[in-house]
Amino acid sequence: EAQVTQNPRYLITVTGKKLTVTCSQNMNHEYMSWYRQDPGLGLRQIYYSMNVEVTDKGDVPEGYKVSRKEKRNFPLILESPSPNQTSLYFCASSLLGPGYEQYFGPGTRLTVT
Amino acid sequence: SQQGEEDPQALSIQEGENATMNCSYKTSINNLQWYRQNSGRGLVHLILIRSNEREKHSGRLRVTLDTSKKSSSLLITASRAADTASYFCATDEMEYGNKLVFGAGTILRVKS
Repeated sequence: EAQVTQNPRYLITVTGKKLTVTCSQNMNHEYMSWYRQDPGLGLRQIYYSMNVEVTDKGDVPEGYKVSRKEKRNFPLILESPSPNQTSLYFCASSLLGPGYEQYFGPGTRLTVT
Repeated sequence: SQQGEEDPQALSIQEGENATMNCSYKTSINNLQWYRQNSGRGLVHLILIRSNEREKHSGRLRVTLDTSKKSSSLLITASRAADTASYFCATDEMEYGNKLVFGAGTILRVKS
């Protein structure tokens, strides 16, 4: 089944404790991206990647890191999480770029205390 | 903010009625897409309209695009309770390279 998976689905952590949210797709898609969703703000893009080893900042990259060492994986790293990073996070992928249908993962609900 | 805007923020209608939601964006676009989200779940793609298209249909969905006004509308005809969800537009605007910019969304409630 074609899908985007994210882990963990739920995470409660404390300020400053490094964490990684994994994202994997099995569709051989070139484009992958991370979003955060906050009430009333819709989805805001954090980082995106056009291909392996090619990543770029979205609208809200501060406090986040990403890497794209393999085509299928695009982990999101929070080196020192803060309470304002409490949010619902989505990973998405598409065939070639932003102008193609995006396939979304199920989301990761992160709480930083 | 690069974010597009949608209106209304919330819409409540009776089953069988039509629902129209609007999206505006800031700069020239390549494409505009509409997505649906059920209660905190992942978004699901509904329809994509290219900048050189003016109207597109998919089942009960009709999307229009007016590039002169930098706006789009999504019409859902003969709505059903199962259409209750949040709806988002997303644009890849030429000025922003390979970013994808989402609107804040419209919450649709269809009462049965």
